[in-house]
Amino acid sequence: GAGVSQSPSNKVTEKGKDVELRCDPISGHTALYWYRQSLGQGLEFLIYFQGNSAPDKSGLPSDRFSAERTGGSVSTLTIQRTQQEDSAVYLCASSTSGRAEQYFGPGTRLTVT
Amino acid sequence: GENVEQHPSTLSVQEGDSAVIKCTYSDSASNYFPWYKQELGKRPQLIIDIRSNVGEKKDQRIAVTLNKTAKHFSLHITETQPEDSAVYFCAATDTGRRALTFGSGTRLQVQP
Repeated sequence: GAGVSQSPSNKVTEKGKDVELRCDPISGHTALYWYRQSLGQGLEFLIYFQGNSAPDKSGLPSDRFSAERTGGSVSTLTIQRTQQEDSAVYLCASSTSGRAEQYFGPGTRLTVT
Repeated sequence: GENVEQHPSTLSVQEGDSAVIKCTYSDSASNYFPWYKQELGKRPQLIIDIRSNVGEKKDQRIAVTLNKTAKHFSLHITETQPEDSAVYFCAATDTGRRALTFGSGTRLQVQP
């Protein structure tokens, strides 16, 4: 079946602009995660959605970052007033209810100029 | 919170040799430990995982061991092949919280 998809694959934006990144999880997966991977670094947790529960936002680095998940499926990560340090690959993952395995999308490479 | 340390950061082996990557974690509540392989420009792919109720798991040429007392776990790749060349990440979480804490990665190069 189809895996996790993300769009756009690449985004170049000017410092100070807002950006929206989209994630489509695997069909039927109830859990959705956002991670950030800076160049040559490991993955850093940002936010986690599970069903209708309140999201775990403990990894969001500042209040410029927010995310929502509509209808329990698609998620959008929004970064307001982008800064150069926001440049990274933003990865989305999903998992099915009761299972710990997380499957990643291809990521969105964000470049802030 | 959880902290995961991974080493070595780079590892070069000859084709056919074994490779071992080691990780330590800090949170004794962690009970799920996956390993991901990431090829250049690609998404991380789950290659094997282990839960805290077992000490070892094997899948063909790949095995993972877990020592809960010492809080460390290792990835073992035997009979390495050039296509094993990639960056490998370990991670840890407790299945209640779910958010993965990743190690910093190991770049494995298998020389033909």
